[in-house]
Amino acid sequence: NAGVTQTPKFRILKIGQSMTLQCTQDMNHNYMYWYRQDPGMGLKLIYYSVGAGITDKGEVPNGYNVSRSTTEDFPLRLELAAPSQTSVYFCASSYHRSNQPQHFGDGTRLSIL
Amino acid sequence: TQLLEQSPQFLSIQEGENLTVYCNSSSVFSSLQWYRQEPGEGPVLLVTVVTGGEVKKLKRLTFQFGDARKDSSLHITAAQPGDTGLYLCAGERELYNQGGKLIFGQGTELSVKP
Repeated sequence: NAGVTQTPKFRILKIGQSMTLQCTQDMNHNYMYWYRQDPGMGLKLIYYSVGAGITDKGEVPNGYNVSRSTTEDFPLRLELAAPSQTSVYFCASSYHRSNQPQHFGDGTRLSIL
Repeated sequence: TQLLEQSPQFLSIQEGENLTVYCNSSSVFSSLQWYRQEPGEGPVLLVTVVTGGEVKKLKRLTFQFGDARKDSSLHITAAQPGDTGLYLCAGERELYNQGGKLIFGQGTELSVKP
């Protein structure tokens, strides 16, 4: 029972490079989310999706892009990496009803140097 | 602007002590979730409170949702080293009337020393 799987677990990028953080879930959840976690700041929502083909911005979307071509996958793309994007990124998914828990992956620790 | 203020941010106590973590907002939430996160892992749900004034217990942990659904608290009785971790509160706001988008507090880093 894999749940939410994120790859890679760690990555170091140079300023200006691009990369895609992968996220896949096997729970048939309609809702998926991308967060970033910085020390003392909790989790900030970057983008979310309520179903395949539908995405929307969260609190801190600048510098990121997402796509949702299937129910299972929700990749997050950084086009021009900047030092301010150094963070731990979490993907989560949930059922499409109120009061449902979000299931998180184990995160991707990203450093931009 | 932080919509959900969580306090304290850090807490270091001895085994056997009691503690309370607070989560406050000026906004009304449809529900409030509490998560626990260990190093190198994602947050894991502890409890969801939905009704104003609701109290839920999970062994030595007691969760309460404020009457006006704007605040919540987590009380741990006789803390143990295994309780060490990051505790996060998250308020749910309605999204397309079919589910919730979570607003997270800053987190409380709890350390329980033996």
